[in-house]
Amino acid sequence: ETGVTQSPTHLIKTRGQQVTLRCSSQSGHNTVSWYQQALGQGPQFIFQYYREEENGRGNFPPRFSGLQFPNYSSELNVNALELDDSALYLCASSLGRKNTEAFFGQGTRLTVV
Amino acid sequence: AQSVTQLDSQVPVFEEAPVELRCNYSSSVSVYLFWYVQYPNQGLQLLLKYLSGSTLVKGINGFEAEFNKSQTSFHLRKPSVHISDTAEYFCAVSQQGNNDMRFGAGTRLTVKP
Repeated sequence: ETGVTQSPTHLIKTRGQQVTLRCSSQSGHNTVSWYQQALGQGPQFIFQYYREEENGRGNFPPRFSGLQFPNYSSELNVNALELDDSALYLCASSLGRKNTEAFFGQGTRLTVV
Repeated sequence: AQSVTQLDSQVPVFEEAPVELRCNYSSSVSVYLFWYVQYPNQGLQLLLKYLSGSTLVKGINGFEAEFNKSQTSFHLRKPSVHISDTAEYFCAVSQQGNNDMRFGAGTRLTVKP
């Protein structure tokens, strides 16, 4: 157990809808990174939040957005869902921005139909 | 930007045999290197990491990896595998001071009795 929890574990959405995924970081960690893992592939970096500010972004369109709260928990929002957004979304928490050690949650499996 | 290549998508091996999972990376600057394991329907668990210092890194569950800067490799090894080692293994790299962790496509290790 890493202490990083994600909710929900599974959900199904319709194309065009919006979705919010949540992540509670490990106690003492101030950085949360989000990854998208499509079936059969490695995780792809979406963005990172450090002390409530976005601190780097991967190659994802603006309809992927996020927030980090004062308690360092985080949300990932995806607007105008597309079929290709179907994936496992992973949250990782760490202390500091340098990714010297990241602890992953169990993920949220999103299916877009 | 940095990138990772995992040279084998699938590695079948018999129980108690040794195994090596290969990983090569590219980066123009110094890097941190990681190996993660993912069991079905789970998040990622850190096996080991190289940040600096000794090039031979020991991790959990009897795994070890060797950082080879001249060959830009970070291969994962275990001298004797168990059935329970069956999982997906991911190599990852981040540039020192960078928040963007890049993952390989993964290697599926299957341990047969």
